[in-house]
Amino acid sequence: DAGVIQSPRHEVTEMGQEVTLRCKPISGHDYLFWYRQTMMRGLELLIYFNNNVPIDDSGMPEDRFSAKMPNASFSTLKIQPSEPRDSAVYFCASSLLSLISYEQYFGPGTRLTVT
Amino acid sequence: QKEVEQNSGPLSVPEGAIASLNCTYSDRGSQSFFWYRQYSGKSPELIMSIYSNGDKEDGRFTAQLNKASQYVSLLIRDSQPSDSATYLCAVNRGSTLGRLYFGRGTQLTVWP
Repeated sequence: DAGVIQSPRHEVTEMGQEVTLRCKPISGHDYLFWYRQTMMRGLELLIYFNNNVPIDDSGMPEDRFSAKMPNASFSTLKIQPSEPRDSAVYFCASSLLSLISYEQYFGPGTRLTVT
Repeated sequence: QKEVEQNSGPLSVPEGAIASLNCTYSDRGSQSFFWYRQYSGKSPELIMSIYSNGDKEDGRFTAQLNKASQYVSLLIRDSQPSDSATYLCAVNRGSTLGRLYFGRGTQLTVWP
């Protein structure tokens, strides 16, 4: 079975440009998470969805960040305009919530560099 | 107080030794506990989950949970250089469906 798919794997852009990151969760999973990881701050949860509905976006750093999940198999994270401090690895993860299990599976990540 | 705390390390052990990684959590309502392994430049990979007090063994890995002490640990027996990675502890919170809370991770180096 295919795991979580993310694209692009690497993105280099100039400050001020719009960046769109894409994620396809594991089929059948009902939760989707966007994380950002840096050496300084570790793994941070940005936003997560349940059945395509945003549940908690309190981790989104600024209004420059937005995320959508138009259907169960696709989500985007957009940064507009991008800034050098947005440089990080962005991970998408998905899970299927059962009675006790919250197992999350991560995609390979998108390494974003903003110059 | 952070939701999940780990010894930041780095932890360095010789090949063949037992590596012990520790994690504490703040919410007594937590029910699901996970260990993820993250190699440098890669994404976190789920390696162990534990839901009940006691030990759970999977090959060379043993997860230990003590809910009374709000403590979860990961033991790696017969450590190998290929075990060198950062290990992330993740815990759910009783009041928040779906979400996991991650520690900062412990960097483990196994030297030959």
